[in-house]
Amino acid sequence: DTGVSQNPRHKITKRGQNVTFRCDPISEHNRLYWYRQTLGQGPEFLTYFQNEAQLEKSRLLSDRFSAERPKGSFSTLEIQRTEQGDSAMYLCASSLLEGGEAEAFFGQGTRLTVV
Amino acid sequence: AQSVAQPEDQVNVAEGNPLTVKCTYSVSGNPYLFWYVQYPNRGLQFLLKYITGDNLVKGSYGFEAEFNKSQTSFHLKKPSALVSDSALYFCAVRGRNTDKLIFGTGTRLQVFP
Repeated sequence: DTGVSQNPRHKITKRGQNVTFRCDPISEHNRLYWYRQTLGQGPEFLTYFQNEAQLEKSRLLSDRFSAERPKGSFSTLEIQRTEQGDSAMYLCASSLLEGGEAEAFFGQGTRLTVV
Repeated sequence: AQSVAQPEDQVNVAEGNPLTVKCTYSVSGNPYLFWYVQYPNRGLQFLLKYITGDNLVKGSYGFEAEFNKSQTSFHLKKPSALVSDSALYFCAVRGRNTDKLIFGTGTRLQVFP
């Protein structure tokens, strides 16, 4: 499968615990995006990388959230001290071309449930 | 600020009839516009995009969309709906000076046999 891969697919965690998600983009894609989707809403932008550089972060990305993309390949999204409000689907996407005309290809997401 | 509106939470259509899913946007300058579809337990799938040129854009699975600059709209259409088209559809916009894709809240399309 050469699409965007996200792991794990599901994560249940207790409030206050830390969680980390991984995204493997399509090979050679230089842009990688993280989005969050809650029930009944469209995906909300969190952050994006060009190669290993994090170029933009949303106000939604509080100081408990951190994302990395070492070596410009896979990316990780960590949430520290999880809260119930963090429960959502976390989506990763990648694109190849520079500039806004390139479509983004999405993974199946990681569903986080904080209990 | 960029924004996208999908005024209908749900659209119901009989199989074989034409369908339209509405989308309006707000962005400074000329936009890039996209439609994605989301099936249950699957990721967002790209359908089509408008970059420039012909206002009628054709995409996957027989879908097309019409860009109307004066009305700031980008409605998704299909001449003849299939039951298998039933899914959640998202419109998205990206301004020319950003790589941030802004999504609408989605429209659930239900095609009845």
